[in-house]
Amino acid sequence: DAGVIQSPRHEVTEMGQEVTLRCKPISGHDYLFWYRQTMMRGLELLIYFNNNVPIDDSGMPEDRFSAKMPNASFSTLKIQPSEPRDSAVYFCASSARAIREKLFFGSGTQLSVL
Amino acid sequence: SQQGEEDPQALSIQEGENATMNCSYKTSINNLQWYRQNSGRGLVHLILIRSNEREKHSGRLRVTLDTSKKSSSLLITASRAADTASYFCATDGNQGAQKLVFGQGTRLTINP
Repeated sequence: DAGVIQSPRHEVTEMGQEVTLRCKPISGHDYLFWYRQTMMRGLELLIYFNNNVPIDDSGMPEDRFSAKMPNASFSTLKIQPSEPRDSAVYFCASSARAIREKLFFGSGTQLSVL
Repeated sequence: SQQGEEDPQALSIQEGENATMNCSYKTSINNLQWYRQNSGRGLVHLILIRSNEREKHSGRLRVTLDTSKKSSSLLITASRAADTASYFCATDGNQGAQKLVFGQGTRLTINP
């Protein structure tokens, strides 16, 4: 298996633009997580899905952030409009079993909002 | 607030020495996990220890868990340059929260 695949690897955009991050989880995994990593706040859980259904989005910073999982093999995290404080590394992770079990992380998307 | 807090924030040792990192947490847990992150990469799962376990081994890794002190330690024996990375503990919290919460991590540097 290729593991969790994220794209793009790097994204540089200007303030106010829409940003879409993509994730393909490991086949057969029924949990998908979006995390954000910054030096100041560390790793924060933004949202997670179970069987394509959003379960907990309490970590989403504000309405500018939205996430979808239209099918078991694809998820997106969208920021609209983007702001400089959104600059961070965004990770997608998937899990085969209960939320508390082993997570497999993608390589992340380094987002820079100028 | 962070559930897990690692200590120290940074650790630098010579190759071949043992490295010990600690994690403290605040609420009761079902399990505690340790992850490694190499620079510019995603996190990689190392080991999971359940609340009813006290010690677990995996290769050169040894993890202990003391639920009475709400703390865990990760020991890497006979360190290698390739062990240079950041190490994170993650806890689930069994108080109804369905989240895996990560600490701020320990940055480990192995000097050749």
